[in-house]
Amino acid sequence: GAGVSQTPSNKVTEKGKYVELRCDPISGHTALYWYRQSLGQGPEFLIYFQGTGAADDSGLPNDRFFAVRPEGSVSTLKIQRTERGDSAVYLCASSLTRQNTGELFFGEGSRLTVL
Amino acid sequence: AQSVTQLDSQVPVFEEAPVELRCNYSSSVSVYLFWYVQYPNQGLQLLLKYLSGSTLVESINGFEAEFNKSQTSFHLRKPSVHISDTAEYFCAVSPMDSNYQLIWGAGTKLIIKP
Repeated sequence: GAGVSQTPSNKVTEKGKYVELRCDPISGHTALYWYRQSLGQGPEFLIYFQGTGAADDSGLPNDRFFAVRPEGSVSTLKIQRTERGDSAVYLCASSLTRQNTGELFFGEGSRLTVL
Repeated sequence: AQSVTQLDSQVPVFEEAPVELRCNYSSSVSVYLFWYVQYPNQGLQLLLKYLSGSTLVESINGFEAEFNKSQTSFHLRKPSVHISDTAEYFCAVSPMDSNYQLIWGAGTKLIIKP
């Protein structure tokens, strides 16, 4: 596609429920990143994929969070037993190569609200 | 570890006036520096970056930023702002030895007054 696509754009769920957030990166981009942005803060790194594998998942806050990218393109961020503190905008980005000499292209984000 | 501080959460400025958005960082290793912009209802977009070479970098829409190593700053400036510059601006750094993570400031909302 023309840009990074994230679905859903908004998700409201109840505490304890399971949530999946999807990211469709720019075609041909091998690197994919998930960030989380809480209100009034900058994005916070969650996980980085190079191809199909998670090269660094050190930013995932706990074992309720998991992300996959089985075919090296679309990625899904999965959150189990959601808590109110999980409410945030979840951002996905992709890049042609590792980001620090190239440009990250961001989606518009998925806003998660846990009631 | 790295951290990025954007001291101003909001900066109101009149149209056609100059503006400076401040960014300071802390890092024990050398870093690359970035400014991203988020226009209303859009995703984050790269505005400009400093990787090496000249410490003054420019964007295509008239913004510039200067890397000051001694002051660990990377302030963003524009000599004359336009209503279309209304957006939130984020400063970010990436450590050269961990070249995929961005560490972000909290952002500065630029509010253009007519």
